Amino acid sequence: EAGVAQSPRYKIIEKRQSVAFWCNPISGHATLYWYQQILGQGPKLLIQFQNNGVVDDSQLPKDRFSAERLKGVDSTLKIQPAKLEDSAVYLCASSSLGQAWGYGYTFGSGTRLTVV
Amino acid sequence: DQQVKQNSPSLSVQEGRISILNCDYTNSMFDYFLWYKKYPAEGPTFLISISSIKDKNEDGRFTVFLNKSAKHLSLHIVPSQPGDSAVYFCAAQTGANNLFFGTGTRLTVIP
Repeated sequence: EAGVAQSPRYKIIEKRQSVAFWCNPISGHATLYWYQQILGQGPKLLIQFQNNGVVDDSQLPKDRFSAERLKGVDSTLKIQPAKLEDSAVYLCASSSLGQAWGYGYTFGSGTRLTVV
Repeated sequence: DQQVKQNSPSLSVQEGRISILNCDYTNSMFDYFLWYKKYPAEGPTFLISISSIKDKNEDGRFTVFLNKSAKHLSLHIVPSQPGDSAVYFCAAQTGANNLFFGTGTRLTVIP
């Protein structure tokens, strides 16, 4: 099966600019996650969707970050305006509803964002 | 609050020897513990997991041990191979919910 697709792979922007990331999960996967991985840290959940509804966005900085999942398939994550501390790799992951616990998720290769 | 901790940022091991990666956690409600492997410029890939009701799970060269009383788990790789060189993340979850990740350990296997 095709994996989780993310684009772009790299993005460099100036602070206060806006940026958007795109994710296409594995076909049929109902659950989609966006994680932020800052250099030297483990990935941290930003938002979790089930189909096109939000399950958990408690760690999403809602004053500048927004995310949507169109028709329960593709998803976009937006940052507006960006800050220097937003420099990180943004990982998208997906899993199926029937997936047994403990099998984790399938991650995409991520988008590396550098804010200068 | 870091619920999953990996206190060793790096580990170097000779090819053919055993690699032992350690992980500690604070939340006794975790149901599953997982190990992910990450190569540069790639996303993490699932390696092996263990249920909280077990103390050992083995898959080929990889074995995970869980000590619930100590809130500690470890990943053993035997024998270690150069292709195992990567960053290893420990993660934990309750049910099918969010994964909590540690900060990772960079393993280098020396040929």
